[in-house]
Amino acid sequence: DTGVSQDPRHKITKRGQNVTFRCDPISEHNRLYWYRQTLGQGPEFLTYFQNEAQLEKSRLLSDRFSAERPKGSFSTLEIQRTEQGDSAMYLCASSLAGGSTYEQYFGPGTRLTVT
Amino acid sequence: QQQVKQSPQSLIVQKGGISIINCAYENTAFDYFPWYQQFPGKGPALLIAIRPDVSEKKEGRFTISFNKSAKQFSLHIMDSQPGDSATYFCAGRGAQKLVFGQGTRLTINP
Repeated sequence: DTGVSQDPRHKITKRGQNVTFRCDPISEHNRLYWYRQTLGQGPEFLTYFQNEAQLEKSRLLSDRFSAERPKGSFSTLEIQRTEQGDSAMYLCASSLAGGSTYEQYFGPGTRLTVT
Repeated sequence: QQQVKQSPQSLIVQKGGISIINCAYENTAFDYFPWYQQFPGKGPALLIAIRPDVSEKKEGRFTISFNKSAKQFSLHIMDSQPGDSATYFCAGRGAQKLVFGQGTRLTINP
């Protein structure tokens, strides 16, 4: 399978705990995005990387959130001191920068439940 | 700030009918308008997309109509099938990121 993969698919954690999610993009894609989707809403942009550089962060990304893409391949999203409001689906997408291709392809998401 | 408004929130269509979902955007810097299909528990899947210099794009049973002056675009699903029952999201791309509408839950009755 050459699509975007995410791990874990589901995560249940207690309030105050830290969690980390992983995303593996399509292999030749150099852009990687994180979005958050709450129930009944469209995905909202959190941050994106081009290769290993984090180029933009949404104001939705509080200082409890940190994302990395250390070698320009997979990425991790960490949430520290989780709150109930962090419960959502966290989606990763990837795309190829440059040229005339704008398509972003999404992974299956990680559903986070904070109790 | 809601930059892409999508309607209706839910839609029921008979099998074989035409499903129409509408979106309006505010940001004239958007340069690409995709539609995504999402099934419960899955990530959004890219369905079809259009650039603002094109008024219509058709792929199989799916057509996007785009009106740049009105800042509106729509998805038409011809010969709708029960397997098309899903949530559909429109989006606009600005500064590399996608801004999504709120989604339309489409149900196709057999």
